[in-house]
Amino acid sequence: GQQLNQSPQSMFIQEGEDVSMNCTSSSIFNTWLWYKQDPGEGPVLLIALYKAGELTSNGRLTAQFGITRKDSFLNISASIPSDVGIYFCAGQSGGATNKLIFGTGTLLAVQP
Amino acid sequence: GAVVSQHPSWVICKSGTSVKIECRSLDFQATTMFWYRQFPKQSLMLMATSNEGSKATYEQGVEKDKFLINHASLTLSTLTVTSAHPEDSSFYICSAERLAAYNEQFFGPGTRLTVL
Repeated sequence: GQQLNQSPQSMFIQEGEDVSMNCTSSSIFNTWLWYKQDPGEGPVLLIALYKAGELTSNGRLTAQFGITRKDSFLNISASIPSDVGIYFCAGQSGGATNKLIFGTGTLLAVQP
Repeated sequence: GAVVSQHPSWVICKSGTSVKIECRSLDFQATTMFWYRQFPKQSLMLMATSNEGSKATYEQGVEKDKFLINHASLTLSTLTVTSAHPEDSSFYICSAERLAAYNEQFFGPGTRLTVL
């Protein structure tokens, strides 16, 4: 199935550092979403982006919807140990179906 | 609000048997639910879209006769893995779509299936 390209694949950082990850696609999406998944659980929505160029924050998280509608990035500022997990981007084309296409994921490890 | 549950949370079965997984939206109605499969260290891959009162729509490469989906009510969709084999062992996750200005999907906690 189709997947979005997400980078980096993994990151190992010190507590307090800022983090940035991005997601690219060959297709245009009308909605970009960022999720966090903890081991053995379902993904939880962090940020949803609905307009090209939109920049949205949720606490220490900031995400942007690329102008071309083919990319998005997620920044986490001042990381803390509970930020550990796998982060997925997801694109949604909309129209007749609202199915999500997920990115390949970024594993984040934060050392206290 | 917007809680989605899955049952069971994990199941171990013998090869050749069938396993049913339930997905429930607890505090909202969902005309559309989605089923995903996630293999270890991989992303979520959409298997099928479950529509209340009609047949499910399967993604390319997903066998509809092996993965039976029933969406009999606005709060319940079931996925039955028929004649399970070890290669079907995976983490199965459902999501339910809540109708609103932006139709957000809420994910269940997943079901770990192990086929011996």
